[in-house]
Amino acid sequence: EVQLVESGGGLVQPGGSLRLSCAASGFTFSSYSMNWVRQAPGKGLEWVSYISSSSSTIYYADSVKGRFTISRDNAKNSLYLQMNSLRDEDTAVYYCARVLTTVSDWGQGTLVTVSS
Amino acid sequence: IQLTQSPSSLSASVGDRVTITCRASQGISSYLAWYQQKPGKAPKLLIYAASTLQSGVPSRFSGSGSGTDFTLTISSLQPEDFATYYCQQLNSYPTFGQGTRLEIK
Repeated sequence: EVQLVESGGGLVQPGGSLRLSCAASGFTFSSYSMNWVRQAPGKGLEWVSYISSSSSTIYYADSVKGRFTISRDNAKNSLYLQMNSLRDEDTAVYYCARVLTTVSDWGQGTLVTVSS
Repeated sequence: IQLTQSPSSLSASVGDRVTITCRASQGISSYLAWYQQKPGKAPKLLIYAASTLQSGVPSRFSGSGSGTDFTLTISSLQPEDFATYYCQQLNSYPTFGQGTRLEIK
């Protein structure tokens, strides 16, 4: 069974930093690209960042480019999102997701609240 | 690639047939998926490759389209179908439509 478990969310002040983690199991993590997707309270789904299986290709949404860094450790079956210079509008549930043409697996999400 | 869903909200009754549309800003072949999301839960994949039903999803759900225009149809609404629906394209990375909230009339 595929499992994706996010952690690291919490309350942070504007301008602060947070590092999210996602622990993957139930599939060969090193073979698949991964994504972070977020959902602000009462809003829709917003793709945040993509990383290929080997980390050779990385994309970011314009809204987080220059502030967030995605990375992975295939030996630890883990995905990360380093979030710096956080803003109020970054408040959201952050999901780790494996999204392919025929498969889509999501974690339960971790809540990040940016507030003073 | 931008995805535009319509309508943004919809009121319907149990037993109704409903259709949600999704238009892509450029052609995406059949790389289109549909999700259902209920409050406090992660999105659930319903349909992938525009028209292929995910295992375990009831047959009252169907999808069609290719290129830029796609539809999700629920043939006979059930109480558990009232939720928010999203389309998603997968060109290189995924992007989502803005969502359609399906409410009970």
